[in-house]
Amino acid sequence: DQQVKQNSPSLSVQEGRISILNCDYTNSMFDYFLWYKKYPAEGPTFLISISSIKDKNEDGRFTVFLNKSAKHLSLHIVPSQPGDSAVYFCAASREGNKLVFGAGTILRVKS
Amino acid sequence: KAGVTQTPRYLIKTRGQQVTLSCSPISGHRSVSWYQQTPGQGLQFLFEYFSETQRNKGNFPGRFSGRQFSNSRSEMNVSTLELGDSALYLCASSLQLMNTEAFFGQGTRLTVV
Repeated sequence: DQQVKQNSPSLSVQEGRISILNCDYTNSMFDYFLWYKKYPAEGPTFLISISSIKDKNEDGRFTVFLNKSAKHLSLHIVPSQPGDSAVYFCAASREGNKLVFGAGTILRVKS
Repeated sequence: KAGVTQTPRYLIKTRGQQVTLSCSPISGHRSVSWYQQTPGQGLQFLFEYFSETQRNKGNFPGRFSGRQFSNSRSEMNVSTLELGDSALYLCASSLQLMNTEAFFGQGTRLTVV
């Protein structure tokens, strides 16, 4: 049962443009959402998170939007840079329970 | 401050063998979780340990087991290895139970031949 889904396996974006990565979830009990970035041969690194009491959280070039009614969140990267090329994982959790990850989206930023 | 350390980085085993992977969390972190990453499947949760007790468990067969020591270091064991167990095994640590930011190690790449 895939509770967290990233339906786009890959995304290609031109340098300087916006990258939008999407994530859908099915469990309405999730109350905390995170994005992780993973480079080859490295472990995932935490990027940004959002609590279910908010609908937007911004950190520099990265903004996460949460639409609870649609059970959808998205990560916006503006402007995209070649160094942003990586696999992005969406994750969700509820109090005291494990992080559930999506399958990941490969982002390629072309220079 | 040292990050999460996983050993070994790479491992090749034969079908039917068993393997033990090790994870040292960030100092002060009490929660350790294990994940299996395979192409197209994302990170599949194996189990989480907190204060030497298994607190959460994923949907993996009993061949996959783990434990946590008093210093929060954790080991994961896979017995009777199958070809499908070939994957990147990632360990993550956090201060409390794994419902917020987790810090990952570089992983152990296990290849079963």
